[in-house]
Amino acid sequence: DSGVTQTPKHLITATGQRVTLRCSPRSGDLSVYWYQQSLDQGLQFLIQYYNGEERAKGNILERFSAQQFPDLHSELNLSSLELGDSALYFCASSVTVDTRGGYTFGSGTRLTVV
Amino acid sequence: AQRVTQPEKLLSVFKGAPVELKCNYSYSGSPELFWYVQYSRQRLQLLLRHISRESIKGFTADLNKGETSFHLKKPFAQEEDSAMYYCALPTGNQFYFGTGTSLTVIP
Repeated sequence: DSGVTQTPKHLITATGQRVTLRCSPRSGDLSVYWYQQSLDQGLQFLIQYYNGEERAKGNILERFSAQQFPDLHSELNLSSLELGDSALYFCASSVTVDTRGGYTFGSGTRLTVV
Repeated sequence: AQRVTQPEKLLSVFKGAPVELKCNYSYSGSPELFWYVQYSRQRLQLLLRHISRESIKGFTADLNKGETSFHLKKPFAQEEDSAMYYCALPTGNQFYFGTGTSLTVIP
């Protein structure tokens, strides 16, 4: 167990729907990062939060949004889902606001849009 | 622009043979590079980072600034090494990941 918890592990939903993915960072970590892993795009950075504030944005679609709550858990909201949104969504956490020391990854949420 | 290139999508070696997974980077500055490993589409795990110059599971990687490379090597591959390997370049608040190399060790 890496200490980073993601729920749910699997999610199947229809096109046009909205889902929420949840991530609890490792104890003591203040930064949360979201990545999308698809077969054709590889690992794409979506967004980072540090201690409740958005710190960096990557290739995140406008249909997607995220937030980090006071208890430091984070949620990634995906709306108006399309077939192409099917992917593994990883959350990672770190102590620092930057990438020094690397990340600890969660086990991911596998999203299937049908 | 920062970039990480892993030229091989697939790599197969026989058990006991040496293995080298290639990684080249583009970065203006002194890079810190990482290797992550992913077994069977599970979570990514940190394998090693060049700044610590350690050997994990028999793997080593040397930063070659002249060739802008950070190749991952192991002298004798084991079946349990079969996995997806990602080279990663941290820049600021995010990692740039290469597209990954899928290593298969043939018994």
